[in-house]
Formats: sequence, structure tokens, C-alpha cells
Amino acid sequence: GEDVEQSLFLSVREGDSSVINCTYTDSSSTYLYWYKQEPGAGLQLLTYIFSNMDMKQDQRLTVLLNKKDKHLSLRIADTQTGDSAIYFCAVPIMAGNTGKLIFGQGTTLQVKP
Amino acid sequence: ETGVTQTPRHLVMGMTNKKSLKCEQHLGHNAMYWYKQSAKKPLELMFVYNFKEQTENNSVPSRFSPECPNSSHLFLHLHTLQPEDSALYLCASSQEPSGRRTSTDTQYFGPGTRLTVL
Repeated sequence: GEDVEQSLFLSVREGDSSVINCTYTDSSSTYLYWYKQEPGAGLQLLTYIFSNMDMKQDQRLTVLLNKKDKHLSLRIADTQTGDSAIYFCAVPIMAGNTGKLIFGQGTTLQVKP
Repeated sequence: ETGVTQTPRHLVMGMTNKKSLKCEQHLGHNAMYWYKQSAKKPLELMFVYNFKEQTENNSVPSRFSPECPNSSHLFLHLHTLQPEDSALYLCASSQEPSGRRTSTDTQYFGPGTRLTVL
């Protein structure tokens, strides 16, 4: 079945780069997503990449996609304390006529001053 | 994301109570979703509605009953819940259902309802 895996925890110092990794077993040929969840809040769409791209840069965020290895990563440059949150990758899959997003377990990013 | 609102934000209920969670989206989307987020578990998809029709029921117990009267509103009716049902319940919407090859399927989430079952 479909599966999306992430490491559970990452700790970095303020100003360093953070890299959050995600592997998946299957996806539809659409977009792959990164969501951010701050304490007590819902999931906020952070960025996404179309499946025919290798890389997308959006200010401090860089998304890398390796379709061959089914590996997605999110790099945050110059990490700030406000970046502390849980980050989820999400991969769309089709099952019959129904599509859905499969989420990873989430990576808790801790940014130390 | 203020495009999707959920009420109440917090709910405490006993196992014999009946309550309802409400979700409203102001984005003109056609698909709506209920998710359950428990501690130490991945986000679990519960129900999917597309143009008010339920297209996915992910083996959810019957004590959870969804209702989608129109494309903008989604309810989750709760009755005789168990303590293990305590979780954050998240609503989301997208223009089209996720996974289709020809459309963007970006899901936008509400802030969630924190449910505690005593």
C-alpha cells in the first residue's frame, strides 16, 4: 500500500540550514506538498512542487524531488526560531476513481537560539 | 488560512453526549475532507466529499456521521464516542479531489477542533 515516511525530529541552531526528508512509495503525477503545523493550529500549506520538476525555490525554501528514488526534501535556509513547527510532506495518490493525499508522520523542527 | 473555518475550536464531551463539528470554506472549492490527528499517529483521512457526494469513507466507525448539505459546509456528527476518539479533527477543502492528473488538488486546512472525550 501507499506509504510516506519522514524522520520524526530535527534540531538545528538559528541561522543554520534545515533539511527535512521524505520518502514515498507511490504518487499520482500531480503536485507534492509540504505543510507546516504550528502548536494548536491546523496545517498551513508551505510550498509544493509539480512532479515533472526537480527543484523549486521559494525565498528561503528549496524543494528537491528525486522521482527515481521517490525522495522529496525541504530545505530551509537561515532557519529562524519562528520556523519551529511540525512539517508534513503529502503525496497524492489515486485509488480507483478516488484521489487522496497521504501524509507523512511529520517532522518536528526545533530551532535553538 | 482563514478560507476554511471550524467551530468549535475546543470541545469536551462525555461518552453519552451528542455533538457536531462544523466546517465552512469560503474558497469556492468542490471537495471537502475530514481528518483525525492523534498523538503519535499519522494524519488519518476519515471522509471525502466531492460536490456534496461522499466519495470516501476510510473505515470510520459509525459513531462518526458526516453531513455535507452543500459544497461550502461540512459537518461531523458525534455520538457515543470513546476516550480514544480524543484528537484534533481537521477539515480541509480543495478545488478538485486530490490525486487527479489534470487538476491542482491543493488542500487548504482549517484550524481544527480539539476534541476531548471523557
